Amino acid sequence: GENVEQHPSTLSVQEGDSAVIKCTYSDSASNYFPWYKQELGKGPQLIIDIRSNVGEKKDQRIAVTLNKTAKHFSLHITETQPEDSAVYFCAVSRGAQKLVFGQGTRLTINP
Amino acid sequence: GAGVSQSPSNKVTEKGKDVELRCDPISGHTALYWYRQSLGQGLEFLIYFQGNSAPDKSGLPSDRFSAERTGGSVSTLTIQRTQQEDSAVYLCASSLAIPLGTGELFFGEGSRLTVL
Repeated sequence: GENVEQHPSTLSVQEGDSAVIKCTYSDSASNYFPWYKQELGKGPQLIIDIRSNVGEKKDQRIAVTLNKTAKHFSLHITETQPEDSAVYFCAVSRGAQKLVFGQGTRLTINP
Repeated sequence: GAGVSQSPSNKVTEKGKDVELRCDPISGHTALYWYRQSLGQGLEFLIYFQGNSAPDKSGLPSDRFSAERTGGSVSTLTIQRTQQEDSAVYLCASSLAIPLGTGELFFGEGSRLTVL
């Protein structure tokens, strides 16, 4: 089955700096790659996604890059702010109906 | 409602008791998912519904776990004879469309289960 590895498990950056989180996957048939943000006590919320026919997608301070050949994709957050502190999960589609999630990255933005 | 609603938000039970967790998806969403999140872990897929049928039950950990969905809306996840390793946050999510990627997956806030 699909195996999703997410790194790092924790990340601490200074406010204003950039943060990068990486995920690798094993199933070359996967074609949908979302990123979710989970704040304390809340459910995960979609922040950005990318499909396999696109190499990069950007939404304001957030971007995702995908390398299908190497089977890895990354989340980039620029000009980080305190409200970016949360747990971030990558996910990979398995078939048309299921998402397999990474283990999560706890991001802390230091003022 | 405006979002996915789950109840109870917190449940403490004794080992061996049965529990029921409820999910009320966003109105009109045909796909409904249950995931489990153990402390400090990622999200583990349990089961998914398309309408009232469950094409994929592959993630249910044991036959103590079951789920149903009625009227294409509310779903109930039942855990019989709970064990301490069942302690986790159980997350429900719904989506307007299949395949994924054509419709966003919306999560509820979860039901935190503690088995003593």
